[in-house]
Amino acid sequence: QSALTQPPSVSGSPGQSVTISCTGTSSDVGSYDRVSWYQQSPGTAPKFMIYDVGDRPSGVPDRFSGSKSGNTASLTISGLQAEDEADYYCSSYTTRNTLVFGGGTRLTVL
Amino acid sequence: EVQLLESGGGLVQRGGSLRLSCAASGFAFSDYAMSWVRQAPGKGLEWVSDVSGGGGITYYGDSVRGRFAISRDNFKNTVYLQMRSLRAEDTATYYCAKDRSGYSGYGFDSWGQGTLVTVSS
Repeated sequence: QSALTQPPSVSGSPGQSVTISCTGTSSDVGSYDRVSWYQQSPGTAPKFMIYDVGDRPSGVPDRFSGSKSGNTASLTISGLQAEDEADYYCSSYTTRNTLVFGGGTRLTVL
Repeated sequence: EVQLLESGGGLVQRGGSLRLSCAASGFAFSDYAMSWVRQAPGKGLEWVSDVSGGGGITYYGDSVRGRFAISRDNFKNTVYLQMRSLRAEDTATYYCAKDRSGYSGYGFDSWGQGTLVTVSS
C-alpha cells in the first residue's frame, strides 16, 4: 500500500491561511469519505483534528477545516497561530479494508 | 477521560519476538475498534493493524501481515500486538489508538503515549 501524497512542507505567517493537500487514488481517498487529519508536535502523540473529510472533534478550533475533491483531500488552517506549527498527517480508509497515512507535512509559522 | 497505556516495548534481536500491550480505561472498551500505529525514528505514521470492538475482525498492513497478530481481551480492557520475525525496519514507536467507531477506518480519537521497539541487527 502506497502512502498518500502530501507536500513535505508548507509555511505561512500568523493570521494567514494555508492548505495542505493529500492525494490518494480511487482505492482510498476517492472511494470513501473516511479521511482524517492529525496534528503532531515533536515528541508527542498525534492529535485528532478532522474526521469524515470535514468534521471536527469537539475542542478543535473552527480555524481547521477539511474538504475533498476526487482523489485529493485538503486541510485548511485559517488565521494561523504560532501554536499551529507541527507536522500534519492525513489518513484514509481503503478498499482493502486497511488504512493508509500520508507522508506528513511540516507546517512552519513564519 | 480516555487513557491508553502501552507497555512491552524494548530492545530485541532481529528474528525475535515481542508482545505489546495497551491497557485502556475511561470508555466502553468493547464498543470501539482499536489499532496499532507505528512511527520509525524521524519518519511518518504507518498503520499496522486493527481489531474490531468484538475482536472478531482483524486487518493488517502489508509490511506486517503474517508476522504480527493483534488481539484484544474485552474483560481486561486490553489490546495486544504479538510481533514475530522482527526486522530492523520494525524499529519504531508503537502507538495504541482508539477508533471512533466499533469498526475501523473512522479515525483515531485517542492515542497512547507510545512504546519504543528497537530491533538490533
